[in-house]
Amino acid sequence: DSGVTQTPKHLITATGQRVTLRCSPRSGDLSVYWYQQSLDQGLQFLIQYYNGEERAKGNILERFSAQQFPDLHSELNLSSLELGDSALYFCASQTSGGHEQFFGPGTRLTVL
Amino acid sequence: AQSVSQHNHHVILSEAASLELGCNYSYGGTVNLFWYVQYPGQHLQLLLKYFSGDPLVKGIKGFEAEFIKSKFSFNLRKPSVQWSDTAEYFCAVTGSSNTGKLIFGQGTTLQVKP
Repeated sequence: DSGVTQTPKHLITATGQRVTLRCSPRSGDLSVYWYQQSLDQGLQFLIQYYNGEERAKGNILERFSAQQFPDLHSELNLSSLELGDSALYFCASQTSGGHEQFFGPGTRLTVL
Repeated sequence: AQSVSQHNHHVILSEAASLELGCNYSYGGTVNLFWYVQYPGQHLQLLLKYFSGDPLVKGIKGFEAEFIKSKFSFNLRKPSVQWSDTAEYFCAVTGSSNTGKLIFGQGTTLQVKP
């Protein structure tokens, strides 16, 4: 158990819908990273938040957005879903000044 | 562009065989290197990491990796694999001066036959 929690574990939805994925980092970790794992693209960095502020953006679609709240949990919002958005979405947290990221169990999103 | 390349996509070994998984990276500047493992149905777990110092790093479960700067490589090794090592292995890099986002290789699926 890494100490990072993600909900829900599985999500099945239809094209065009909107979903919200939630991540709670390890106690005291200020940084949260979101990654997408799909069969064709592999593991890709989406976005990073640090203490409530966006720090870096990767290959994140405009239909996707994220935020980090004052209690440091983060949410990834995916809208106008397409079949190709089906993937495993991981979040990871990192301590300030640390280099190691601790990954959550992931949310498996299936878009039908 | 920053990238990580893992040479082997699928490796099948018998128990007690030795393992070496190749990883090469392309990244300007000082790097931090990682190997993560993902057991079936589980999340990514850190096997080992290199930040600086001794280029031969030891990780959990008997794994080790060697950083060869001149070859931009960070190969993973284990002298004798077990059935429980069946998993997917990811090499990743991050720059020591950047935000810390991990750039992953494509992953190598290791299947160990009992």
